[in-house]
Amino acid sequence: RKEVEQDPGPFNVPEGATVAFNCTYSNSASQSFFWYRQDCRKEPKLLMSVYSSGNEDGRFTAQLNRASQYISLLIRDSKLSDSATYLCVVNGGSGGYNKLIFGAGTRLAVHP
Amino acid sequence: DTEVTQTPKHLVMGMTNKKSLKCEQHMGHRAMYWYKQKAKKPPELMFVYSYEKLSINESVPSRFSPECPNSSLLNLHLHALQPEDSALYLCASSQNTGMETQYFGPGTRLLVL
Repeated sequence: RKEVEQDPGPFNVPEGATVAFNCTYSNSASQSFFWYRQDCRKEPKLLMSVYSSGNEDGRFTAQLNRASQYISLLIRDSKLSDSATYLCVVNGGSGGYNKLIFGAGTRLAVHP
Repeated sequence: DTEVTQTPKHLVMGMTNKKSLKCEQHMGHRAMYWYKQKAKKPPELMFVYSYEKLSINESVPSRFSPECPNSSLLNLHLHALQPEDSALYLCASSQNTGMETQYFGPGTRLLVL
């Protein structure tokens, strides 16, 4: 089983659609969770950290369910500029080391 | 300012060449990282430096040699690489090696002929 698993995608949605990505992780001791966005041939950029209480940043909402070891990202009112690969990232380090474990990524394509 | 810079942006080298990749951050971060990313794959951790000391080497071949001259700089020395080492090499930094957010540089796209 992969340490971080994501929806395989790709997701092709029209502008204005709502789209949800799911992610599960295997290490119950993980303490930090993130969504990164990566555009084609660019570096990953932090989209948002994910907290147990859930958090929202504009059109983006992230949720964490520790009991189910499940993370989600909801994008409302999709824009063309949201087209990218979304990486679910979990801190898998031990002994104090910040080792990020990346999911394989889910590709989103928003069309007019 | 969450900026990590990397040079060069692109690099083409032969299997007998020696080259170096450079990474710099001025955010006062004490942890720096090298990742390798192949096409359509997620980044894979190579090395972690904490307070200028090598903390983690993810069983990387010795043809890759990291160096941290000071708290702002991280180098990756390359020697006798193989074509399969062609990839995007990403540098990242974080405040320390706790559960911190990592910020990535734009990467160096390496092609080994």
